[in-house]
Amino acid sequence: EAQVTQNPRYLITVTGKKLTVTCSQNMNHEYMSWYRQDPGLGLRQIYYSMNVEVTDKGDVPEGYKVSRKEKRNFPLILESPSPNQTSLYFCASKGDRGGEKLFFGSGTQLSVL
Amino acid sequence: GNSVTQMEGPVTLSEEAFLTINCTYTATGYPSLFWYVQYPGEGLQLLLKATKADDKGSNKGFEATYRKETTSFHLEKGSVQVSDSAVYFCALRRGGGSNYKLTFGKGTLLTVNP
Repeated sequence: EAQVTQNPRYLITVTGKKLTVTCSQNMNHEYMSWYRQDPGLGLRQIYYSMNVEVTDKGDVPEGYKVSRKEKRNFPLILESPSPNQTSLYFCASKGDRGGEKLFFGSGTQLSVL
Repeated sequence: GNSVTQMEGPVTLSEEAFLTINCTYTATGYPSLFWYVQYPGEGLQLLLKATKADDKGSNKGFEATYRKETTSFHLEKGSVQVSDSAVYFCALRRGGGSNYKLTFGKGTLLTVNP
C-alpha cells in the first residue's frame, strides 16, 4: 500500500531536549516536505527536499533541521525544542509522475512543555 | 505574496443539505487550485483540483470551478452525508519553481448531523 509513515504519532517533551520525528515513504518519490498545522493558521511549510542531499527552507524553518540521506526518509529534527513549536506536524511526498497530488502522513502531535 | 481565504467555520449541516464552502485566492500568474480534506485523526487527502481557468474539479459528489474573474474556487456538494464531516482546506500552488509548495487556507470544519 502506498503510504507516508510518520513516527511517533504523539510526543510530549520538555524545552531543550532534542528530538527527531521520522518520515518514510514507500512510493519512490523524489519530493518530500514538512508542514506544521496550527489552529487558525492552516498549514505552513517548514522544509522541503527535491531529492537525496537536496534540501531547502520553506516559510517557517527557524528552530528546525532536516536531512535527506536516503530517498525514502526525511526526518525532522528539533535541536532545542521550545513551547512555540507545539504543533501538529505533517510530512508529505510527491512523485514526478503523480500529477499535482501530495501524499500526506497521518501527523505527529508534538507538545513541548 | 500568495494567499488563500476561506470561509470561517465551523459549519454544521443536517444530512442531505446543500454545502458551499467559499474560497478566494490572491496569486500572480495562473496557480493550480485544490481542495484537501482531513478526516479526524488522519492526514490530508486530495479531494479535487483544477489547473486552469474554467476547469471544474469533481470527486465524491463534490465540485469546484476555477473562476479567474472572481479569483474563487468554491466547494459545493448537493447532498452531504454524515461521513463528509471533516476539515476542508482550500489551497493553491503557483506554477514554476522547484518547490512544490502549497499555500493553504485556514481550514473549515464541517459537521454533518443525522
